Amino acid sequence: GAVVSQHPSWVICKSGTSVKIECRSLDFQATTMFWYRQFPKQSLMLMATSNEGSKATYEQGVEKDKFLINHASLTLSTLTVTSAHPEDSSFYICSARGRLAYEQYFGPGTRLTVT
Amino acid sequence: AQSVAQPEDQVNVAEGNPLTVKCTYSVSGNPYLFWYVQYPNRGLQFLLKYITGDNLVKGSYGFEAEFNKSQTSFHLKKPSALVSDSALYFCAVRTMEYGNKLVFGAGTILRVKS
Repeated sequence: GAVVSQHPSWVICKSGTSVKIECRSLDFQATTMFWYRQFPKQSLMLMATSNEGSKATYEQGVEKDKFLINHASLTLSTLTVTSAHPEDSSFYICSARGRLAYEQYFGPGTRLTVT
Repeated sequence: AQSVAQPEDQVNVAEGNPLTVKCTYSVSGNPYLFWYVQYPNRGLQFLLKYITGDNLVKGSYGFEAEFNKSQTSFHLKKPSALVSDSALYFCAVRTMEYGNKLVFGAGTILRVKS
């Protein structure tokens, strides 16, 4: 199957700082990328959907000014958590889908801890 | 109403025995159905999908699932479980009703004991 990478795999930051997470589709063009958040022992919560070259669409309750998403190319999307607080600590997973694909491929996730 | 239901929080099975992880859905139209597996601190790995055609779908690692339209179910099965199958399994549905986005069930922990 297709490969999606995420970087970093884990990050610890101080409260009030910003953190950027990268998501790359390594062997296909991702026309649509998705960002999810997962709490321990829970399912994935979709945060936002982005199409290459256009603004991300955020799910209800997700602060777009806090979680900045950029999908600048067909292989790269970034999630920036701005002014992070301890409650933002979570496991963030990106996912990508090609233009004609049914499958959606997931990155390995990024563990964010805000102290 | 919950669009995707995984009624069991956890399934326990002995190694070598058949396993079933249940999934039912409640959406309009013709949904696309998926199963994913997640190992600790990892992303999701695609197992199999149903789009159209044969109701029995075969996927990765010996898993299969049967689409049952009348019962609106898409249970995941494997004839002989391995200890390494122990993980968290998610059923997901994709349909225009939900903006063509994946909607996940709550997940089922599978524990296979030797």
